[in-house]
Amino acid sequence: GNSVTQMEGPVTLSEEAFLTINCTYTATGYPSLFWYVQYPGEGLQLLLKATKADDKGSNKGFEATYRKETTSFHLEKGSVQVSDSAVYFCARSANAGGTSYGKLTFGQGTILTVHP
Amino acid sequence: DTGVSQDPRHKITKRGQNVTFRCDPISEHNRLYWYRQTLGQGPEFLTYFQNEAQLEKSRLLSDRFSAERPKGSFSTLEIQRTEQGDSAMYLCASRSLDDARGNEQFFGPGTRLTVL
Repeated sequence: GNSVTQMEGPVTLSEEAFLTINCTYTATGYPSLFWYVQYPGEGLQLLLKATKADDKGSNKGFEATYRKETTSFHLEKGSVQVSDSAVYFCARSANAGGTSYGKLTFGQGTILTVHP
Repeated sequence: DTGVSQDPRHKITKRGQNVTFRCDPISEHNRLYWYRQTLGQGPEFLTYFQNEAQLEKSRLLSDRFSAERPKGSFSTLEIQRTEQGDSAMYLCASRSLDDARGNEQFFGPGTRLTVL
């Protein structure tokens, strides 16, 4: 079945450090890939997405590239800020053209804490 | 557009009681999803509606769970004879049928259920 695996956290960084959160997905079909973020006390928000191989999603300084050959969608940011402290979820949709109506399969989440 | 709203935000109940949650999606979003999120995990898909039709249910949705979307707008999720294992955050998401947006789902703040 469809699954998503994220690197285990928590991740603790100093401000301005480089961030990578690894995400891999099962290689069935041609899903869309997403990173969602959950700030303390708030709901899930879409951070970025990519809908086909080699697409790069980007937002707020975060980037992730859809790598079909390695079935990965790693999240990166060159210089993190204290305000980036949150829980980050990698997710995949059901296969394009399938009958699963776009339901999302999420990874377990990675807690990021950024210290001043 | 005020986003996806859910009510109540918190619910504490005793084991064996019935509870009902409400979700109001973004207006004109004809796809609506329910997910469940337990502590330290990513959201897990429960069920999906397109307009008023319930088109898919996860095996996580036991027969104590029922969801409706009678007029294709708001949705309710009822849990009968609650068990302590039902304690979780219940998330609702909605999505436009416009696939050009790349399957983006918009999430509500969730209803946190605690079963004593």
